[in-house]
Amino acid sequence: GAGVSQSPSNKVTEKGKDVELRCDPISGHTALYWYRQRLGQGLEFLIYFQGNSAPDKSGLPSDRFSAERTGESVSTLTIQRTQQEDSAVYLCASSLYFGRTGELFFGEGSRLTVL
Amino acid sequence: DAKTTQPTSMDCAEGRAANLPCNHSTISGNEYVYWYRQIHSQGPQYIIHGLKNNETNEMASLIITEDRKSSTLILPHATLRDTAVYYCIVRVGSGAGSYQLTFGKGTKLSVIP
Repeated sequence: GAGVSQSPSNKVTEKGKDVELRCDPISGHTALYWYRQRLGQGLEFLIYFQGNSAPDKSGLPSDRFSAERTGESVSTLTIQRTQQEDSAVYLCASSLYFGRTGELFFGEGSRLTVL
Repeated sequence: DAKTTQPTSMDCAEGRAANLPCNHSTISGNEYVYWYRQIHSQGPQYIIHGLKNNETNEMASLIITEDRKSSTLILPHATLRDTAVYYCIVRVGSGAGSYQLTFGKGTKLSVIP
């Protein structure tokens, strides 16, 4: 497809389990972002990838959170030992190099529910 | 990044212009004003951005005051599909941190039939 694709769209897991969320950015977009949105709240920045540069991980809330991206393709966000407060929609976005328009293209998100 | 303040919610009659205000009194000279919106259960969608001149595209118009301390997003003829949360964001144009967009809680716009 032409847009940012995220999977799974919904994930229900038990507390303590690990989860992996996937993001397929728009082809040709060198920048990729992960955001978290708790119910009724704004978006929280988690991590930013730009090409082969070291990612900006400053928004990751704890060491249980990690993300990988191979080149300019798919990214995975991994949450280990999930907690109930991790329940949220995890949004991925991609863009051309940030120095251009600054327009981010978002996916539909992955809704995570931790029981 | 400068912070923005927006009203929590607004109503607008269908077919009328929706004017969404945003205050960004601490904006720096190299920071742009961006507007995104988020329709229920979808990811945010880019609308428009500007530095100091007014901007218009097929979706909306952006009016930035001369002192750049506030701006207004105008949807000229609101439809029911424009019901969404609208986010006003300031972003450094280039250099360190320019990729970060900080989303607040935005304004919940309800377009009423």
